[in-house]
Amino acid sequence: QKEVEQDPGPLSVPEGAIVSLNCTYSNSAFQYFMWYRQYSRKGPELLMYTYSSGNKEDGRFTAQVDKSSKYISLFIRDSQPSDSATYLCAMSAGVGGGGGNKLTFGTGTQLKVEL
Amino acid sequence: GAVVSQHPSRVICKSGTSVKIECRSLDFQATTMFWYRQFPKQSLMLMATSNEGSKATYEQGVEKDKFLINHASLTLSTLTVTSAHPEDSSFYICSASSSGGPPQFFGPGTRLTVL
Repeated sequence: QKEVEQDPGPLSVPEGAIVSLNCTYSNSAFQYFMWYRQYSRKGPELLMYTYSSGNKEDGRFTAQVDKSSKYISLFIRDSQPSDSATYLCAMSAGVGGGGGNKLTFGTGTQLKVEL
Repeated sequence: GAVVSQHPSRVICKSGTSVKIECRSLDFQATTMFWYRQFPKQSLMLMATSNEGSKATYEQGVEKDKFLINHASLTLSTLTVTSAHPEDSSFYICSASSSGGPPQFFGPGTRLTVL
């Protein structure tokens, strides 16, 4: 079993739809959670960063972390064709958690928002 | 803020030559820098972690004599692929973090093609 599980997709939605992307994990030491967006042939771009459980909102993006269920989500409202990319979840236990600064990534979900 | 650059963005070289890739944090001091490799349609694979002024820590299976990493300052790390071969062709991405903790900010990547 992988430490982080993420549905690879592809996920195809119409423009304006609400998109839900999810990851599950098994390592209870993870306490830092990130979502990155990666366009083809580019480096990942940090979208959301949360520490421990809870919700965080930034514009059209909302990140949720449920540590009790070991489940994180990213919601994209009013999706646009420009949101078409691969979305990677990433987690870290942090230095205090014994994981140093290393990130453990999901495999990425490929999203396509169609006109 | 939190901008990371990489140079070059693309390089083509002959088998047996060495190639140097630079990674710079432009607006923050990077205590730790990371080097990743990514194959098509796959997630990022961590190659090594470097802290400023210290030797890099390589992941299992990564040849430290082949992939030389130098982190001479808080804003610059370099990866040198020595005696490159076609199987070294890949997308190399660096990331940087400040204060020794997550999140990591990624560079745009360097596409290496070895003929």
